Amino acid sequence: ELKVEQNPLFLSMQEGKNYTIYCNYSTTSDRLYWYRQDPGKSLESLFVLLSNGAVKQEGRLMASLDTKARLSTLHITAAVHDLSATYFCAVGDSGGGADGLTFGKGTHLIIQP
Amino acid sequence: DTAVSQTPKYLVTQMGNDKSIKCEQNLGHDTMYWYKQDSKKFLKIMFSYNNKELIINETVPNRFSPKSPDKAHLNLHINSLELGDSAVYFCASSRRVLGGGNTIYFGEGSWLTVV
Repeated sequence: ELKVEQNPLFLSMQEGKNYTIYCNYSTTSDRLYWYRQDPGKSLESLFVLLSNGAVKQEGRLMASLDTKARLSTLHITAAVHDLSATYFCAVGDSGGGADGLTFGKGTHLIIQP
Repeated sequence: DTAVSQTPKYLVTQMGNDKSIKCEQNLGHDTMYWYKQDSKKFLKIMFSYNNKELIINETVPNRFSPKSPDKAHLNLHINSLELGDSAVYFCASSRRVLGGGNTIYFGEGSWLTVV
């Protein structure tokens, strides 16, 4: 059974600081996703990572994937209050997607002014 | 236009009732899903479905059943509702891509409260 573990689960940080969220998964996968969820809202796709060494950046967020270590990271640079949200990583199977994603428990991020 | 739309957004109902949540996607995707998010925000796949196969998470009670009248719709029927069914249910869709890489788009969620 595929398991996805995120840490930390809760993170409170100050604006302007850098931090990294970690996502470990237990079995081989060809797809790793990062999603953002604001309170009471849907999930917004941030990144899709497909290959070992993949790195993607959007604004202050950068995601990377190490398939050998079964590890993805979401790095936040110079955090701003607007990035406060819950961030999920999710891992897909290797069959093209019919059986969906397995999600981590989410990282609840609070960025204080 | 909303890409993945669900109705109703909020639903309060009594134990034992039968209810349905509707989902429609206008993205031309061939695969649709239902996810459940519990009170701790944990998301779990319930079903995935394309026009050829239904894949069911074995932990889902058989009181839950997906029904797809066509490729753009995947409705969720729930029989004999229980208190533990209270959650947010998300519909999602994607286009199956060989080698992976398909972005999965989520609906706005349906907040179900069973009293």
